Amino acid sequence: ETGVTQSPTHLIKTRGQQVTLRCSSQSGHNTVSWYQQALGQGPQFIFQYYREEENGRGNFPPRFSGLQFPNYSSELNVNALELDDSALYLCASSLFGVFQETQYFGPGTRLLVL
Amino acid sequence: RKEVEQDPGPFNVPEGATVAFNCTYSNSASQSFFWYRQDCRKEPKLLMSVYSSGNEDGRFTAQLNRASQYISLLIRDSKLSDSATYLCVVNMGGGSQGNLIFGKGTKLSVKP
Repeated sequence: ETGVTQSPTHLIKTRGQQVTLRCSSQSGHNTVSWYQQALGQGPQFIFQYYREEENGRGNFPPRFSGLQFPNYSSELNVNALELDDSALYLCASSLFGVFQETQYFGPGTRLLVL
Repeated sequence: RKEVEQDPGPFNVPEGATVAFNCTYSNSASQSFFWYRQDCRKEPKLLMSVYSSGNEDGRFTAQLNRASQYISLLIRDSKLSDSATYLCVVNMGGGSQGNLIFGKGTKLSVKP
């Protein structure tokens, strides 16, 4: 196992609601990246957090936001949920700036928006 | 053009077969390359990094051709446990460009 944990494992919400997903990084890692994986697709980069600041963002609207805490754990917040937000949300931890930086994934949170 | 493109699959092969996956990437500035494996309803797991000189790990061999922007993965002597989706992954670089760009994945089913 990678040592990356995520909670909750599953979540059901309705359109317009807000959701917070959580991630604890692997010991020794200081960077957390979040990905969205829709059914039948590869994961898509949402954003990355390093030193408690956003450090790169993919093509996602501002209603996707995040936080990183001093212990390197992270939250992903999604406001005004839409049906298309239904997906597996993955976080990955890594060590910033390492060549061939390897990201290790948590088990994911499955979000269903009704 | 998609940033990372893979063979669509699925690949259905018998045990013991050799199977090859191909992948192309569009951004010549890409710096590091990986193959991840994803089992059904699980998270992606790193299978191997891919180096310009090519690298091998047991039955798995990865190759990178920077001039053609092409990555490959060869699996020899396929096992039932190799059944999974294989994701080709490109990274623009560490630090501020440390996000991974994934292909859609190629599904492999190894049959007895």
